[in-house]
Amino acid sequence: QQKVQQSPESLSVPEGGMASLNCTSSDRNFQYFWWYRQHSGEGPKALMSIFSDGDKKEGRFTAHLNKASLHVSLHIRDSQPSDSALYFCAASNDNYAQGLTFGLGTRVSVFP
Amino acid sequence: EAAVTQSPRNKVTVTGGNVTLSCRQTNSHNYMYWYRQDTGHGLRLIHYSYGAGNLQIGDVPDGYKATRTTQEDFFLLLELASPSQTSLYFCASSDKGWGGYEQYFGPGTRLTVL
Repeated sequence: QQKVQQSPESLSVPEGGMASLNCTSSDRNFQYFWWYRQHSGEGPKALMSIFSDGDKKEGRFTAHLNKASLHVSLHIRDSQPSDSALYFCAASNDNYAQGLTFGLGTRVSVFP
Repeated sequence: EAAVTQSPRNKVTVTGGNVTLSCRQTNSHNYMYWYRQDTGHGLRLIHYSYGAGNLQIGDVPDGYKATRTTQEDFFLLLELASPSQTSLYFCASSDKGWGGYEQYFGPGTRLTVL
């Protein structure tokens, strides 16, 4: 079973619109959550991290974490064509150096 | 901005062939990782290392060896390549190993095993 599950699998958003991505973990040991973004032909790049309950805002991007439900979301405000990419949720636990566990990704397409 | 480079960018080999994928980071990071990316599986950790000469097993290590020769260089070895190892391979590095530290990814190597 996938320890980090993302929904939806794909999402089409009009330019200027709001995109909402969801991520749920089944492992209560996960304490650190990341959103990575991967443009076509490139490696993933960290978009933002969230380690505490509540909201974290960075520009047009807002992440929300609820540790009790192991749910993290990402909201993209005022979506731009450059936001079209594959978005990964990734999680890590307290154990020292075990790498990240990634979800399968949500593909976001921003159309004019 | 952390820099991670990978070579080759594309590789085609035949079943049973030997393949070495190379990764170099120039950011003095201690940790380096090898992942494979497949549709339907996302990114999966193969091996990682926290310094020269060190190797740790990841989640999908079967059929892969790795070696960290210096702090900068991390290699992934496929000694008897199989078609199931056709994938997109990414190397990453981070300053420290626990989850609060960002991992920086290279551009990837696309490997095809015929």
